[in-house]
Amino acid sequence: RKEVEQDPGPFNVPEGATVAFNCTYSNSASQSFFWYRQDCRKEPKLLMSVYSSGNEDGRFTAQLNRASQYISLLIRDSKLSDSATYLCVVPNNAGNMLTFGGGTRLMVKP
Amino acid sequence: EAQVTQNPRYLITVTGKKLTVTCSQNMNHEYMSWYRQDPGLGLRQIYYSMNVEVTDKGDVPEGYKVSRKEKRNFPLILESPSPNQTSLYFCASRQGLAGYNEQFFGPGTRLTVL
Repeated sequence: RKEVEQDPGPFNVPEGATVAFNCTYSNSASQSFFWYRQDCRKEPKLLMSVYSSGNEDGRFTAQLNRASQYISLLIRDSKLSDSATYLCVVPNNAGNMLTFGGGTRLMVKP
Repeated sequence: EAQVTQNPRYLITVTGKKLTVTCSQNMNHEYMSWYRQDPGLGLRQIYYSMNVEVTDKGDVPEGYKVSRKEKRNFPLILESPSPNQTSLYFCASRQGLAGYNEQFFGPGTRLTVL
């Protein structure tokens, strides 16, 4: 099993739709998790951090399921500008290394 | 403006010709790291540094060197580049190891080794 695994997509959704991605991780001791957004050929930028059961920021909700070892990202009312690749990131126990998932590509259509 | 800068942004070189990619941050961050991003493989960590004169290997360190003589700079050195090092490289920094510290990435360096 890969350390951090994501469905690569692409997820093609219409504007206004709600879309959710999952990310599974193998290290059961992981305490914190991150979702980064990466636009084509640009640097990743932090979208959300997840420490306990979840986090919400506007249209974005991240949830953590420790028992099943996955985190999810829910985007409500999708905008064209949400089109990007979403990277799931899991630090190791010491926090000195980050493992990135392969990313899930989202395309929001008019 | 708080940022991580990398130079050059684009580089085409030939096998065996030593090169250095510079990375600098102006946020007084302790932690810096280098990643490479390849299609189908995602971002993989090459080296990281937790402070001045402290560097450690990441997941894919072979063929690379780094140094951290000053807090703000963390250059990536390819002593003898090979075609399999053709990739998109990102430098990153964050304040410390705590999970709440956001990691900031540079704009990337696209390297082609012929």
